[in-house]
Order: sequence, then structure tokens, then C-alpha cells
Amino acid sequence: EAEVAQSPRYKITEKSQAVAFWCDPISGHATLYWYRQILGQGPELLVQFQDESVVDDSQLPKDRFSAERLKGVDSTLKIQPAELGDSAMYLCASSLVPTSGSYEQYFGPGTRLTVT
Amino acid sequence: ELKVEQNPLFLSMQEGKNYTIYCNYSTTSDRLYWYRQDPGKSLESLFVLLSNGAVKQEGRLMASLDTKARLSTLHITAAVHDLSATYFCAVDMMYSGGGADGLTFGKGTHLIIQP
Repeated sequence: EAEVAQSPRYKITEKSQAVAFWCDPISGHATLYWYRQILGQGPELLVQFQDESVVDDSQLPKDRFSAERLKGVDSTLKIQPAELGDSAMYLCASSLVPTSGSYEQYFGPGTRLTVT
Repeated sequence: ELKVEQNPLFLSMQEGKNYTIYCNYSTTSDRLYWYRQDPGKSLESLFVLLSNGAVKQEGRLMASLDTKARLSTLHITAAVHDLSATYFCAVDMMYSGGGADGLTFGKGTHLIIQP
């Protein structure tokens, strides 16, 4: 069964360092999402791509976060510089343009980031 | 701004009992999703509800959607320990390009089922 791949699974970094996360969506899925989940809360959308274009990045802290999906397939989310408050689970999800009306999103295993 | 509220946020119950988790959302949407999350893990899709009156069941879990009341419920029947997890409901909205916005999640219901 096809799955969303993410790496690394765990990352520990020091405050002010740069960190990057990678996501490979399910083959053929045109829409890709990055979410951040702080411990004890629900995921919050950071950025949404349709193919290689950004659809929504209104919640992305653009002074330190950047995201790209250059060829419309895999994607990278970067944080520079990392802050203590960035410690969270970063989840990638993808969805297929639907025929049934469902935009069901399939989530990857996530990257657990700890900033020290 | 779309808001999604779940209650209760924390639930401890005994095996064999029944209970319902409620999910209210603030704006019109015909699509609601339920996910399960185990500690330290990612999200597992449970149900996709696409229309008013939709009801879906899988094992001891049943989900329903009332779009007029902007309410979804997740009902647990005869709970077993393996159902202990955090359950999230989420809603998405259409955007002008014809696709769907990212999901807006509730805060989650942390469910503990004790023997």
C-alpha cells in the first residue's frame, strides 16, 4: 500500500541552527500539506501545495520558515533559525484530486523536532 | 475563520461502556473527517463523512454527520482497551481553485479505556 514518506523521523537541534524536513507524497497525489502539531494539540496547517504552486501559506512564519516543492513531487520544509517554540511534530500529508467529493488526506509518519 | 470544537477533551471510561464524542464546527462544510492518533504516532484515518446524514461504522466505532447542526458524533460501543487513543475531528473548505483547503482540526479527545 502506498504511503507518504518523511525523513528524518527524529531531529534534535540547537536553538538558532537550521533544520530541514523532507516529504515524498503518495505517487500521483497533486496536493501536499505540511502541518505542525504541538504536543497536546491538534495539527495546524503551515502550507499547502497544488503541484508545485503554493495554495495557502498564510500560517507559515515566513521570517524563519520556508517550503518548496520544485518539481511538484517531493517537498522540503526548512526552519532557519530554529527557536525553542518550534519543538513539535511536523506532519506531511497528500491528497488526490477526488472523483468522489472526498479530499481525504493521507498522513506520513511525521518528524519529531526537539530544539534545545 | 473556521473553528472546530471537540468535547470532551479528556475521557476516562471502563471497558464495556458506551460513550459519544462530539464535534462542532463553525461554518458550512459538507466534509468531516475523523482521525485516530496513538502516542508519538501519526494520524490514522477512521471515517470520511461527505454529506448530511452520513453514518459510517467500523467495528465498535460509529460516526455521523449533521451538516445543518454543524455537528458530528463519534460513538463508541462496548469500549475495549485497544481503543485508547486521541481522536480528532477535522473539517475542510473548498477554495476558489476547486480544491480543498487544509484541514482544521479540533483539539482532540484523549480517550483512556480502563479494564
